[in-house]
Amino acid sequence: QQQVKQSPQSLIVQKGGISIINCAYENTAFDYFPWYQQFPGKGPALLIAIRPDVSEKKEGRFTISFNKSAKQFSLHIMDSQPGDSATYFCAASTDKLIFGTGTRLQVFP
Amino acid sequence: DADVTQTPRNRITKTGKRIMLECSQTKGHDRMYWYRQDPGLGLRLIYYSFDVKDINKGEISDGYSVSRQAQAKFSLSLESAIPNQTALYFCATQGENYGYTFGSGTRLTVV
Repeated sequence: QQQVKQSPQSLIVQKGGISIINCAYENTAFDYFPWYQQFPGKGPALLIAIRPDVSEKKEGRFTISFNKSAKQFSLHIMDSQPGDSATYFCAASTDKLIFGTGTRLQVFP
Repeated sequence: DADVTQTPRNRITKTGKRIMLECSQTKGHDRMYWYRQDPGLGLRLIYYSFDVKDINKGEISDGYSVSRQAQAKFSLSLESAIPNQTALYFCATQGENYGYTFGSGTRLTVV
């Protein structure tokens, strides 16, 4: 049973475009929703995170939108750059992180 | 030095062999985790430990065991490796602000 569902599996975006990755969860006890970025040969690294008491959090070009009633949250990458090409994981946590299945993002010049 | 160090980085082993993956951290965190990454499946939790005396099973613990030798060390063992345990394994620690720090991973191949 996949507690955190992530889509799409892969995403191709033109440089300067907007990348959007979506996640949905089941467990209403989750109280922390981070996004991780992973480059080949590296471990995942925390990109941005949100708690369910806010609907949006922005850090630079990265924004999390959170819809508590729909149990969905998404990552928006504005002005996508080739250096953003990586695998992105959403996750949700109570006392431990449960990850989505990942999205491979490719940004072409 | 890296905050979370995993050894070895790569390992090829034969079916039925016992193998240990090691993780050490310099962050002083109590909470440590072992995850397994497979293409299309994301990261799945194998075992986790909230302190030296606390060990908990994750969602895919069958075929694995762990040892928390000290606050800084958390090892994962495969008692009798099988080919479907071929994967990328990550160790992580968790700080007070919920943030996880991952190691660079161990790529394990069971032939």
